Amino acid sequence: GESVGLHLPTLSVQEGDNSIINCAYSNSASDYFIWYKQESGKGPQFIIDIRSNMDKRQGQRVTVLLNKTVKHLSLQIAATQPGDSAVYFCAENRDSSSGSARQLTFGSGTQLTVLP
Amino acid sequence: DVKVTQSSRYLVKRTGEKVFLECVQDMDHENMFWYRQDPGLGLRLIYFSYDVKMKEKGDIPEGYSVSREKKERFSLILESASTNQTSMYLCASSWARLSSGNTIYFGEGSWLTVV
Repeated sequence: GESVGLHLPTLSVQEGDNSIINCAYSNSASDYFIWYKQESGKGPQFIIDIRSNMDKRQGQRVTVLLNKTVKHLSLQIAATQPGDSAVYFCAENRDSSSGSARQLTFGSGTQLTVLP
Repeated sequence: DVKVTQSSRYLVKRTGEKVFLECVQDMDHENMFWYRQDPGLGLRLIYFSYDVKMKEKGDIPEGYSVSREKKERFSLILESASTNQTSMYLCASSWARLSSGNTIYFGEGSWLTVV
C-alpha cells in the first residue's frame, strides 16, 4: 500500500544544534507536501509546505527539502530551541489540483526532544 | 491568522450517549474535515465536507455522522458513543484547492473519553 512514513520515531538534539526530520512517501503522484508541529495536548500547527515543482523552500529557521527521485522529504530546523520540542509529521496530497483535499495522507510523526 | 475553533476541549461521556463536537472556522473555507488521532495510528479522516450540506465519508466513518448547515460550522455527531471512540478529535479547514499559502489548518482538538 501507499504510505507516508518517518524514518525515526524519536530524535534528541542539543539546544542550538540543527535538527533534521525525515519523511518518506511512496506515491509518485503526490504533488503537495506539508509539515506540521504538534505540541503535547494541542492541535497540529502548520510549519511549512512545498509543491512538487520545487525542491527547497525556506521559512523562518526552517527549510523543507524535497527529493522526488527517492521520494524523500526532510524538515531542517536551525538552532533548535526548547520550544521546538514536539511531534513533527508530514502530510502528502496526491492530487491538490482536483479541488479536493480528500487525498491528504499523514505520517505518524517524530518526537523531537531538545536537550539543554 | 486562520482560526479553527473546537468548542469542547475535554469531554467525558457515558456509553450510549449522543455526543456533539462543534467546529467553527473564520476564513470562509470551502473544505472542512473531522479527523481522529490515536497513538501509533496517526490522523485518520472520519468525514469531509466541501460545501454547505455536502459531505463525503472518510476512511473511518462508521459510528459517526456530520452536519454542515452553515459554511463556517461543521459538527461531528456520535449517535451512540462507545468506548472505542475514546480519542482525540481534530477539526480542520482549507480552501478548495491546496497550494502553498492555501493549506489545511487544524483546531486545538477535542479529547473525548467514553466510559
